[in-house]
Amino acid sequence: GAVVSQHPSWVICKSGTSVKIECRSLDFQATTMFWYRQFPKQSLMLMATSNEGSKATYEQGVEKDKFLINHASLTLSTLTVTSAHPEDSSFYICSALGQGGIGELFFGEGSRLTVL
Amino acid sequence: KNEVEQSPQNLTAQEGEFITINCSYSVGISALHWLQQHPGGGIVSLFMLSSGKKKHGRLIATINIQEKHSSLHITASHPRDSAVYICALNNNDMRFGAGTRLTVKP
Repeated sequence: GAVVSQHPSWVICKSGTSVKIECRSLDFQATTMFWYRQFPKQSLMLMATSNEGSKATYEQGVEKDKFLINHASLTLSTLTVTSAHPEDSSFYICSALGQGGIGELFFGEGSRLTVL
Repeated sequence: KNEVEQSPQNLTAQEGEFITINCSYSVGISALHWLQQHPGGGIVSLFMLSSGKKKHGRLIATINIQEKHSSLHITASHPRDSAVYICALNNNDMRFGAGTRLTVKP
């Protein structure tokens, strides 16, 4: 089946630094990718929808200047957490929509961010 | 009211039992996904439904578009089925249920 790879799987950084998380579709082209965050024992929260070649659509309450999303190619979307703070510590997950109007959804392995 | 309501929130079963997890929603959708998240965080999409019923091994998923309701069934449950099961709506964006934490005891 289709594979979505996320990198890094975990990262620890100091407060004030920026962290970039990559999401790659390995064997298919993904025009749409989604970014989520998940707090412990809570469900996924959609942060933004990323469409290749256009600006991401952010969910209400998600700061677009804080969470920069770039989807420059059909196989790569990146999420950059800028000037990270401890409250940004979370599990970040991406997914990619398979080809076709309502294609299958494939998830990355997730990236655990800890901001000290 | 949430757009996606999942029930139950937590479910404990004995190995071999038949499991049902329900998902009700209030918006129009193009598809509904059932997801499985294991303790490590990895997520697998089990089913994508736009109508009817799908079966994969011991898993069965049904959807009733008119009633805006879907169910995930697990037959002959096994401890390895222990996970969080999440209902997700797909209609240009994604909406998630709160998840059902399933524990199957041997």
